[in-house]
Amino acid sequence: KNQVEQSPQSLIILEGKNCTLQCNYTVSPFSNLRWYKQDTGRGPVSLTIMTFSENTKSNGRYTATLDADTKQSSLHITASQLSDSASYICVVSVGSSASKIIFGSGTRLSIRP
Amino acid sequence: GAVVSQHPSWVICKSGTSVKIECRSLDFQATTMFWYRQFPKQSLMLMATSNEGSKATYEQGVEKDKFLINHASLTLSTLTVTSAHPEDSSFYICSARPPLVLDTQYFGPGTRLTVL
Repeated sequence: KNQVEQSPQSLIILEGKNCTLQCNYTVSPFSNLRWYKQDTGRGPVSLTIMTFSENTKSNGRYTATLDADTKQSSLHITASQLSDSASYICVVSVGSSASKIIFGSGTRLSIRP
Repeated sequence: GAVVSQHPSWVICKSGTSVKIECRSLDFQATTMFWYRQFPKQSLMLMATSNEGSKATYEQGVEKDKFLINHASLTLSTLTVTSAHPEDSSFYICSARPPLVLDTQYFGPGTRLTVL
């Protein structure tokens, strides 16, 4: 069964600190993996996209890693800011055509001043 | 970048009425659009896939007669919630996929529906 699991469900950290969010997937055949940021009451916005051959990809203070062997991905946020408070969703595309996508349940991140 | 808009951004309606939500791709043509529903503190759940010029494909458990989808042009899809009930209150998000790029979806900002 194609599944995407994220941990933790929620996380609270102080402004300026770093954090790492986890995503484990059991998807076959794997096409790509994206991390999205969803602000409350808004639609998701893509942060990174990684294919099978990519291990690391950065977007500013966001760095995503992918281990295709263990089927794990992480999203690392450095020097967190209040505006980083949001839900972060891991999404995996399935199949050679990547036409089917599986959503993780998301991690709700709260940054405290 | 690719922009998807939704209208309205929020709507409050009485139980039994119908509500139409529009999803537009502003700077690209979208042969396929998707409609999602999101309940508080939950992730997006795909409701249906809308293909321009053909009938929408609904996910299991989604009533096609209740959630009417029309994709009349390459830049517009509409979702009509018919005979709305309080349990239909949710956050509805659409996404649009550019042609020939099957692994990319651009999401709209969402529509908050509250049924009284």
